Amino acid sequence: DTGVSQDPRHKITKRGQNVTFRCDPISEHNRLYWYRQTLGQGPEFLTYFQNEAQLEKSRLLSNRFSAERPKGSFSTLEIQRTEQGDSAMYLCASSPFGTKGNTIYFGEGSWLTVV
Amino acid sequence: QQQVKQSPQSLIVQKGGISIINCAYENTAFDYFPWYQQFPGKGPALLIAIRPDVSEKKEGRFTISFNKSAKQFSLHIMDSQPGDSATYFCAASIYNNNDMRFGAGTRLTVKP
Repeated sequence: DTGVSQDPRHKITKRGQNVTFRCDPISEHNRLYWYRQTLGQGPEFLTYFQNEAQLEKSRLLSNRFSAERPKGSFSTLEIQRTEQGDSAMYLCASSPFGTKGNTIYFGEGSWLTVV
Repeated sequence: QQQVKQSPQSLIVQKGGISIINCAYENTAFDYFPWYQQFPGKGPALLIAIRPDVSEKKEGRFTISFNKSAKQFSLHIMDSQPGDSATYFCAASIYNNNDMRFGAGTRLTVKP
């Protein structure tokens, strides 16, 4: 399978704990995105990388959230001191840069439940 | 934050009927308008997209109609099938921009 893969698919954690999600984009895609989706809503943009550089962060991304893409390949999204309001699906997406424009390919998401 | 408004929230259509989902946007700088299809437990998948230099784009049973002056675009699903039952999201962005804004989604149910 050469699509965007995310791990873990489901995570249940206690409030106050830290969680980390991993995303492996489609190979050769140099753009990588993180979105958050809650029930009944569309995906909301969180942050974006071009290669290893984090170029844009939404104001939705509080200082408890940090994302990295150290070698320009896979990415991690860490949430520190989780709160119940963090419960959502975290979607990773990737896209090639240039001629294909904005075609974004999503992974299947990582569901987070904070109890 | 809600720059793309989508309606209806839910839609029930008989098999073989036409499903129509509408979206309106605010930012006149948007110039790329995709539609995504999402099945339960899956990530959104790109269905069809349009840029404002054309008023209509058709791919199989799926058609986007675009009205630049009204800042509206819609998805038409012809000959709707039960397998089309899913949540559909419209989105908008500035071409090659990274901050794609999504509508709230329409849950489509096609009854056999």
